[in-house]
Amino acid sequence: GEDVEQSLFLSVREGDSSVINCTYTDSSSTYLYWYKQEPGAGLQLLTYIFSNMDMKQDQRLTVLLNKKDKHLSLRIADTQTGDSAIYFCAETLRRGNNRLAFGKGNQVVVIP
Amino acid sequence: DTGVSQDPRHKITKRGQNVTFRCDPISEHNRLYWYRQTLGQGPEFLTYFQNEAQLEKSRLLSDRFSAERPKGSFSTLEIQRTEQGDSAMYLCASTTGSQGFDTEAFFGQGTRLTVV
Repeated sequence: GEDVEQSLFLSVREGDSSVINCTYTDSSSTYLYWYKQEPGAGLQLLTYIFSNMDMKQDQRLTVLLNKKDKHLSLRIADTQTGDSAIYFCAETLRRGNNRLAFGKGNQVVVIP
Repeated sequence: DTGVSQDPRHKITKRGQNVTFRCDPISEHNRLYWYRQTLGQGPEFLTYFQNEAQLEKSRLLSDRFSAERPKGSFSTLEIQRTEQGDSAMYLCASTTGSQGFDTEAFFGQGTRLTVV
């Protein structure tokens, strides 16, 4: 299957941590991604994790992968107003020419 | 090379008209994807090219949609007899395809189509 599920909306105070969750269904996915989309803009790759890893840290971003439960999370530490955006998780479909299957997105609003 | 570029950024058209969008991928990238994103949804795959060959098409791609990549560089996506349901952001992405897999797909800014 190609269903990627995400919760829809999160508000967080500036300086706090925010956590966004995602579940996916394709167990053959090799890479899982987090993309950021600001209003009217295209998609910006934030980070990715290889499927044989449990965790990846990249500056303020921490990705956790629970492959057994097919659960992916993104934690943003010290959230800034510039982090306000929609965040999409995505998985590659190896049986699908490595195209991406995206979740519906999670809108993060940072309150100053 | 400044990345993936798409043209136009915005297009408003009357129902029934034909529209064509263009995508210029990063020059050394041989894989090119088209996605469609409707309001409140994530991008959905439409079609995929490896060089000039169109290797996969989604069932979302009705007969009114056609895509080409004639020389394995830029690609065009044409929608004939547009319908209001075609209103969406059309995104193009490219990857190198090296080693059989890529860690990053680079996306363009998208073309926002509004059918009135």
